[in-house]
Amino acid sequence: AQSVTQLDSHVSVSEGTPVLLRCNYSSSYSPSLFWYVQHPNKGLQLLLKYTSAATLVKGINGFEAEFKKSETSFHLTKPSAHMSDAAEYFCVFMDSNYQLIWGAGTKLIIKP
Amino acid sequence: GAVVSQHPSRVICKSGTSVKIECRSLDFQATTMFWYRQFPKQSLMLMATSNEGSKATYEQGVEKDKFLINHASLTLSTLTVTSAHPEDSSFYICSASTGTSAWEQYFGPGTRLTVT
Repeated sequence: AQSVTQLDSHVSVSEGTPVLLRCNYSSSYSPSLFWYVQHPNKGLQLLLKYTSAATLVKGINGFEAEFKKSETSFHLTKPSAHMSDAAEYFCVFMDSNYQLIWGAGTKLIIKP
Repeated sequence: GAVVSQHPSRVICKSGTSVKIECRSLDFQATTMFWYRQFPKQSLMLMATSNEGSKATYEQGVEKDKFLINHASLTLSTLTVTSAHPEDSSFYICSASTGTSAWEQYFGPGTRLTVT
């Protein structure tokens, strides 16, 4: 069965330091994977997507993610955190029926 | 572009009453709309998928008679929670897709429903 696991419910970093949000997936085929961000009182926004092209995917706001098949991972990174990055982040897997399967989410906290 | 709105953003209703939530695609035609439910500190759960002009497809465990979905036009879908109970209190999110890319969904800001 396909699934996606976000390993951390909360991640806290200082402003200006790197961000790492971890995501692992389980799939019997090459998946399509996404990262979404949810700010309070705003709609979910697509940060980036992997759809079997380049394994290093660059997204908006300086975020990027690397698809590693050997590790079944799709971790989200950013070199330098900004206060505006504080939000909930979701790793999402698209199943064979084109439905989105959502991870439990990781709350990113930015310390000044 | 690709803006989706939801109305209302928050609603409080009494147990036993019904409440309607609207989802609109403002600048594009949405052939498919999705309704999700998000429990506190949890992920999104797909409730149903609706295509314009046809009946919605509900996920397993979602009561179709309780959560009525109508997708009457290419820009509007509604979710009606009938005979609401406190356990229906949740954050409801809709998304809309043009259908050109199976994965490309644009999300509304959500509706917070509280049933007292």
